[in-house]
Amino acid sequence: NAGVTQTPKFQVLKTGQSMTLQCAQDMNHEYMSWYRQDPGMGLRLIHYSVGAGITDQGEVPNGYNVSRSTTEDFPLRLLSAAPSQTSVYFCASSYSGGTSGNTIYFGEGSWLTVV
Amino acid sequence: GDSVTQMEGPVTLSEEAFLTINCTYTATGYPSLFWYVQYPGEGLQLLLKATKADDKGSNKGFEATYRKETTSFHLEKGSVQVSDSAVYFCALTRRDDKIIFGKGTRLHILP
Repeated sequence: NAGVTQTPKFQVLKTGQSMTLQCAQDMNHEYMSWYRQDPGMGLRLIHYSVGAGITDQGEVPNGYNVSRSTTEDFPLRLLSAAPSQTSVYFCASSYSGGTSGNTIYFGEGSWLTVV
Repeated sequence: GDSVTQMEGPVTLSEEAFLTINCTYTATGYPSLFWYVQYPGEGLQLLLKATKADDKGSNKGFEATYRKETTSFHLEKGSVQVSDSAVYFCALTRRDDKIIFGKGTRLHILP
C-alpha cells in the first residue's frame, strides 16, 4: 500500500521556468489537497479537490494551477516559478476533508528551490 | 474566521520530562480536532484525534482532550523520549471540509 506518493522529492528551478509536482494516491480517496510549508508559517492550503473534475482554491492559490482528471492523481503546476515559491510542498488525501474526523494522509514532501 | 493557535517553540525538555503543548481554536460549529507529528525530512503523520467534545485521543503515550468550554486541545505526555523530537501540529476541520493547521511547535528532547 503506497499511500500518497509525491514526485520529485527535490527540484531546483530557475525563475520563470514551469514545472509540475505529481501526486498520486491509491486509497480511493475523494479529497486531495496541496499545502506549502514555510518556516514560521505552518502549512498553508494552496488548492484542493473534493473529487474528480472538481477543484477549488485554498489560502494561497496565486501562481499555481491544479486539475483532477482522475480520483488517483492531483498534479500541482507552477506556470512561471518565482523565488517566493521556494518551499516544501505536501500533497494530502482523505475520504473526505476531515469534517467527520477522517484521517488525512500526507506525502513525504517535495523540496522546491527557485533561484 | 476559523483558526488554530499553538504555543511557539522550540520547546526543549530533558528525557522523561512531562510535556504539554498548548492548542486553542476558534471555529463555528463542532470541528474535529487533530494532532499531527512531522519527523525530520518526512511528511505529517496523524498522532491522535477527537471528533466531539470531551473525547480523549491517545496514541504512543500522548493524550489530548477536546475541551469545548475552553476551546482547547492540549497535547500531553507523561515521560518524553529522545525519539519524540519532532514538529507537532494542531489542526481542526471546518464544516466545508477544509483543514486548518496551527503553525507547529518544534520539540527537542535532550538525552
